[in-house]
Amino acid sequence: ILNVEQSPQSLHVQEGDSTNFTCSFPSSNFYALHWYRWETAKSPEALFVMTLNGDEKKKGRISATLNTKEGYSYLYIKGSQPEDSATYLCAPSPGGADGLTFGKGTHLIIQP
Amino acid sequence: EAQVTQNPRYLITVTGKKLTVTCSQNMNHEYMSWYRQDPGLGLRQIYYSMNVEVTDKGDVPEGYKVSRKEKRNFPLILESPSPNQTSLYFCASSSPPGNTGELFFGEGSRLTVL
Repeated sequence: ILNVEQSPQSLHVQEGDSTNFTCSFPSSNFYALHWYRWETAKSPEALFVMTLNGDEKKKGRISATLNTKEGYSYLYIKGSQPEDSATYLCAPSPGGADGLTFGKGTHLIIQP
Repeated sequence: EAQVTQNPRYLITVTGKKLTVTCSQNMNHEYMSWYRQDPGLGLRQIYYSMNVEVTDKGDVPEGYKVSRKEKRNFPLILESPSPNQTSLYFCASSSPPGNTGELFFGEGSRLTVL
């Protein structure tokens, strides 16, 4: 089981502000990193799957970067909107037969 | 519509009464997996399957069984449920296997064992 740390655990952001949060994971044996958004009373939905060091992915106002050498990924949200309120999960994988290990998530609340 | 379907969505049962939570996906995915979500903990993997007739333990397999007789179905079996199995359960599928393929999750099954 990998040691996955997400910070902060929760975050209150004013509507329109930009924000970011972190996922830290062991840099050895890295294969892939997933980000998921989990809205209350729904199921997690994939945002990004990243594999390459230095990779940056973007979906609308949300983007993510990956540093596999130092073992972290950042998720950025630009111009936060109320619909961005959710828990954001990261999940690295060492590859092979090992699956994903999910972090506990960052709970984001956007205040109007 | 591509989806992962779990049943039941909600269940209250008693200790020792065998139950099965079904999971079915219509995306022809090879990989399927079960997770449980408990307060203060991340999603933890119970069992996974790389393909038909191929299953393996995840991080918290004790008290659970699975089978993969068909590609689309991956039921989770609790032979003798106990209160510590009260949890929110998610089934997920992907192709290729979960390391690089994004997971598609079912809507969740909330189980209470009294």
